[in-house]
Amino acid sequence: DAKTTQPPSMDCAEGRAANLPCNHSTISGNEYVYWYRQIHSQGPQYIIHGLKNNETNEMASLIITEDRKSSTLILPHATLRDTAVYYCIVRSDSNAGGTSYGKLTFGQGTILTVHP
Amino acid sequence: SAVISQKPSRDICQRGTSLTIQCQVDSQVTMMFWYRQQPGQSLTLIATANQGSEATYESGFVIDKFPISRPNLTFSTLTVSNMSPEDSSIYLCSVEAGRGRASDYGYTFGSGTRLTVV
Repeated sequence: DAKTTQPPSMDCAEGRAANLPCNHSTISGNEYVYWYRQIHSQGPQYIIHGLKNNETNEMASLIITEDRKSSTLILPHATLRDTAVYYCIVRSDSNAGGTSYGKLTFGQGTILTVHP
Repeated sequence: SAVISQKPSRDICQRGTSLTIQCQVDSQVTMMFWYRQQPGQSLTLIATANQGSEATYESGFVIDKFPISRPNLTFSTLTVSNMSPEDSSIYLCSVEAGRGRASDYGYTFGSGTRLTVV
């Protein structure tokens, strides 16, 4: 399973963009990059995912390098409620009983603290 | 995306006993996943449950300790057996709607069961 490397913590001022980097140098050609966040005592929340192209949704943007070995999650205007642990995950393909599925392997994540 | 209901939300149990955690999904899903999150740590996948077949366990997890049932496409249980204080963790279930739909919606997680073993 491809591993991800993230900085353990980052700070960001409220209203500014938060740029969270992730290294996934062993990613395979058909493996997706997923980003989740976990606010204290809650289940992980889906943010965004991508394969090759940059992606944007109402929460964030995902920038994937051309060689796919790294990516950056961008929260364009961080708020205090964005303080959370952010996980960058590579989804690996697995098989169980003849059924193929994707498996998420979580790394340690980045603790993002948004301050006033 | 799917909505997951997980029960109980928390429990305090005596060592040596067992606890069964339930995960109910509001739509039919192919795969259900069970994770453990130890205090201050990230999530670790315990096993993957496919309806109609035995669960697939990750390295370090065994069926005798974490038996899983998957009787239909909307429900699964995880039992934590013969508990010790080291089993104190948050246990979460997650679903993949299917290969195509997972690409659209990502994976959904329940709110977790916070287990304390005393």
